[in-house]
Amino acid sequence: GAGVSQSPRYKVAKRGQDVALRCDPISGHVSLFWYQQALGQGPEFLTYFQNEAQLDKSGLPSDRFFAERPEGSVSTLKIQRTQQEDSAVYLCASRTDRGKGGLFFGSGTQLSVL
Amino acid sequence: QQQVKQSPQSLIVQKGGISIINCAYENTAFDYFPWYQQFPGKGPALLIAIRPDVSEKKEGRFTISFNKSAKQFSLHIMDSQPGDSATYFCAAKGGGFKTIFGAGTRLFVKA
Repeated sequence: GAGVSQSPRYKVAKRGQDVALRCDPISGHVSLFWYQQALGQGPEFLTYFQNEAQLDKSGLPSDRFFAERPEGSVSTLKIQRTQQEDSAVYLCASRTDRGKGGLFFGSGTQLSVL
Repeated sequence: QQQVKQSPQSLIVQKGGISIINCAYENTAFDYFPWYQQFPGKGPALLIAIRPDVSEKKEGRFTISFNKSAKQFSLHIMDSQPGDSATYFCAAKGGGFKTIFGAGTRLFVKA
């Protein structure tokens, strides 16, 4: 595709449910990032992949958060036993090279935990 | 921890005026300073970026001014238009791969 695609666009979950958020990066982009954006705040780093390798997961808030990119393209962010504080927009971004240039973001998944 | 501090939180500018947003950083290892523009319901989009070996970069109506000694950089939007109304984020990336974002500035340009 022409840009980074994220699905679903909106997700409503009951507290305690598991959710899975999908990211389809720009074709050929090596680097993939997940960010969390709370209302009125800047994006906060969650995790980074270089191809299929997860090189940094230091931003994941707890062990309920898990991300994977098994074939080095599509990535999934999974949140287990969702809590109200998990409500946020989850943004995926990709970049063409390992360290150069800016990020290309998707439109995000807005997660609301009731 | 907040490594990039952005101000003001919000800004109202008259059409045709100059919008100025400021950022300060702490980590001297940062070597890439982008600005992103975000409209409601969309992800941030790269607007303009600068590396610390230059003091200014201009692209159309958008200019970044960079002061390495003060560890500050700013975005200037000349001839601001209502279509520029959005949230702007400064950011910084260093040595590795992680981009750190400021808290954002909500700009409103009055027609």
